[in-house]
Amino acid sequence: GENVEQHPSTLSVQEGDSAVIKCTYSDSASNYFPWYKQELGKGPQLIIDIRSNVGEKKDQRIAVTLNKTAKHFSLHITETQPEDSAVYFCAASKTDKLIFGTGTRLQVFP
Amino acid sequence: IAGITQAPTSQILAAGRRMTLRCTQDMRHNAMYWYRQDLGLGLRLIHYSNTAGTTGKGEVPDGYSVSRANTDDFPLTLASAVPSQTSVYFCASSEQGDRETQYFGPGTRLLVL
Repeated sequence: GENVEQHPSTLSVQEGDSAVIKCTYSDSASNYFPWYKQELGKGPQLIIDIRSNVGEKKDQRIAVTLNKTAKHFSLHITETQPEDSAVYFCAASKTDKLIFGTGTRLQVFP
Repeated sequence: IAGITQAPTSQILAAGRRMTLRCTQDMRHNAMYWYRQDLGLGLRLIHYSNTAGTTGKGEVPDGYSVSRANTDDFPLTLASAVPSQTSVYFCASSEQGDRETQYFGPGTRLLVL
């Protein structure tokens, strides 16, 4: 079955710097790759997603890139702000069953 | 519109006791899911339901059961709780036409002693 690895497990950046989180997946048939943000004490919330027919997608300060050949995808956050501090999860799917990575705790220091 | 609600918010449970975690959504989504979240392991799918009246097993179904009597409710039952079921449990739902986009509830924090 699908396996998703996520790195790093923790990431600390200065406010205004960029942050990059990387994920790799094992099943080449996976075609949907969402990213979720989870704030303390809350459920995960979808922030951006990408499908296998697209190489990059942007939404304001957030972007996701996908390399199907290498089977990896990344989340890029530019001009980070303290409110970006949270745990971020990547996931991969070829049906409606999401397989999640183990999460990255991002801390943005003022 | 509340989205997805879960109850209770948290619970301490003695091992061997039966417990039902409640999940209700008001978005008329066909598909619903139960995940458990453990430190270092991310979110793992326990059970799912593609539509009312049907259920399926996820990655870690042992020790749990679900039912889907109607569209809105998807309760998760632990028949005889064990300490390894200590976790945070999240319910999620998705639309039939966009099953991959899942919306999560606020979670239930369960401690089994």
